[in-house]
Amino acid sequence: EIVLTQSPTTMAASPGEKVTITCRASSSVSYMHWYQQKPGASPKPWIYDTSKLASGVPNRFSGSGSGTSYSLTISSMETEDTATYYCQQWSSNSNTFGAGTKLELK
Amino acid sequence: EVQLVETGGGLVQPGRSLKLSCVASGFTFNNYWMSWTRQAPGKGLEWVASITNSGGSTYYPDSVKGRFTISRDNAQNTLYLQMNSLRSEDTATYYCTRANWDYFDYWGQGVMVTVSS
Repeated sequence: EIVLTQSPTTMAASPGEKVTITCRASSSVSYMHWYQQKPGASPKPWIYDTSKLASGVPNRFSGSGSGTSYSLTISSMETEDTATYYCQQWSSNSNTFGAGTKLELK
Repeated sequence: EVQLVETGGGLVQPGRSLKLSCVASGFTFNNYWMSWTRQAPGKGLEWVASITNSGGSTYYPDSVKGRFTISRDNAQNTLYLQMNSLRSEDTATYYCTRANWDYFDYWGQGVMVTVSS
């Protein structure tokens, strides 16, 4: 099983600040996917295939990475971006999620 | 509009069984793999099971293998999760998810399962 390690676990950012969340895989994966979840709501696909934005996702979000290291970046933090973000990979017919990064407003 | 509606959750005693259902609409159900993912209260996401579009193959993590069974009825556009020998650690919100290649592009609203005596 591939283990995904997200960092940081929690963070706070000020409006306009650049934010980077990292996801490291215990073995190389082909793609990384990201989900946004707000309290009381179902997760939403946010970034898929490492760098493609899901429908409706603002273009201040971006994704990058390869092999065992991937990241989600917000170019300029906005209030509505407060949420928990999870990375996910699917390989060898097995899925794993990262533990999540809780992003708060400073 | 794609919709996934889960039902069947509730309170169940340890060691007992429960079966979840998910009715899908708004897309051609038998074209897609489907999955279940769960989230324990205040915790992260955990993949529970996946099934191919035909239902011919199923996949599970070790944590539920041998206890949970995913199945589907393509004629009824319905996904199922049979959960046996339930444990307290199975307490979670269970989400029905559509798989688009290797990520989950649609999620249901979730159904709560509580395992407690």
